Amino acid sequence: SQELEQSPQSLIVQEGKNLTINCTSSKTLYGLYWYKQKYGEGLIFLMMLQKGGEEKSHEKITAKLDEKKQQSSLHITASQPSHAGIYLCGAVGYGGATNKLIFGTGTLLAVQP
Amino acid sequence: DTGVSQDPRHKITKRGQNVTFRCDPISEHNRLYWYRQTLGQGPEFLTYFQNEAQLEKSRLLSDRFSAERPKGSFSTLEIQRTEQGDSAMYLCASSSTMTGTSYSPLHFGNGTRLTVT
Repeated sequence: SQELEQSPQSLIVQEGKNLTINCTSSKTLYGLYWYKQKYGEGLIFLMMLQKGGEEKSHEKITAKLDEKKQQSSLHITASQPSHAGIYLCGAVGYGGATNKLIFGTGTLLAVQP
Repeated sequence: DTGVSQDPRHKITKRGQNVTFRCDPISEHNRLYWYRQTLGQGPEFLTYFQNEAQLEKSRLLSDRFSAERPKGSFSTLEIQRTEQGDSAMYLCASSSTMTGTSYSPLHFGNGTRLTVT
């Protein structure tokens, strides 16, 4: 069963609009990663969050990990066509397997010019 | 830093044939991971190595799958007697335990897309 749930599954926004993608876990997250994937390509690392309440930004993308460390959100400000792709959250620490990264099902983002 | 390299990018094979994929990690990375991804799904963990030791293998991985990393550098993933259900993107990733942080990000290659006809 999937242990990380992402919402929404897909999203279409107009260029310039803001958007948020959520990643929810039923268990405490010890390390939460955000990746971006273009169709047919590998994953590109965006950010990693470890501490409850932590927030990181890179260019127009901000990721937060809530205090309870069971949910993370990825926020894109003023979206651009270059932001289009699949966004994946990944978590470590499940079931004591600290070195295995488990992924959510992904959120497909399309940005209309 | 040339990144993680995977070969081939695409492989088409007939059911029942054996296939082998290669992954060259980032040179200073001591951990190497294999994942499988099907359309519309996130990557699914298969196995990982620390140096040449295979430390974990998914229970989902059948006996037809075997991975090696003989010298702690490149790795190969072999699938024997391929089945149509093996069609997927096979992703390799590497990371380092020397960064001083508890969890280091995985750096992914562009994958090998396998089609079994």
